[in-house]
Amino acid sequence: GQQLNQSPQSMFIQEGEDVSMNCTSSSIFNTWLWYKQDPGEGPVLLIALYKAGELTSNGRLTAQFGITRKDSFLNISASIPSDVGIYFCAGGPPIQGAQKLVFGQGTRLTINP
Amino acid sequence: EPEVTQTPSHQVTQMGQEVILRCVPISNHLYFYWYRQILGQKVEFLVSFYNNEISEKSEIFDDQFSVERPDGSNFTLKIRSTKLEDSAMYFCASRGPGGTEAFFGQGTRLTVV
Repeated sequence: GQQLNQSPQSMFIQEGEDVSMNCTSSSIFNTWLWYKQDPGEGPVLLIALYKAGELTSNGRLTAQFGITRKDSFLNISASIPSDVGIYFCAGGPPIQGAQKLVFGQGTRLTINP
Repeated sequence: EPEVTQTPSHQVTQMGQEVILRCVPISNHLYFYWYRQILGQKVEFLVSFYNNEISEKSEIFDDQFSVERPDGSNFTLKIRSTKLEDSAMYFCASRGPGGTEAFFGQGTRLTVV
């Protein structure tokens, strides 16, 4: 089946640092989504990408849909303590209708104040 | 802001018992999903549901699992005879007719003892 490889698996940074994480796949995806999950909570959508090459920002977050449609990255600038959590990429396959999302393994972000 | 709601937040059940997890998707959404997340692992697709029938299901979604949308509002996941390995967070998600992003509920933590 389709799989996403997300890296890094974990990050330990100082408050104020920038963060970068990415997802790659051998399969083409129609959409790329980035979610954040806090402990005991459901994934919350951060950014949605719909077109190859698209670069989208949401506050301090920036994400890009790779030109090959097989990868995406998420950057967080000037990290703050509330950025702590697990970040998941998710790809929507190029099939219309009730397309499922395929999730990466997650990147656990820890911030030292 | 509309949201997906799930009940209960935590369910403890004995092995072999039946459980029903409940979800109320966002009201104008048409596509419904159940995902599962074993502790510390990635979010895994279980099943998608559209137009009152299953659109796609994963290998995890075997004969012990079933879904229903009994009344046009609720969307339920039933596990007929729970096993220890069914212990996980179960997330319901829904998607609107024109959108590609799925919105997730807070999850139900299922503990099978």
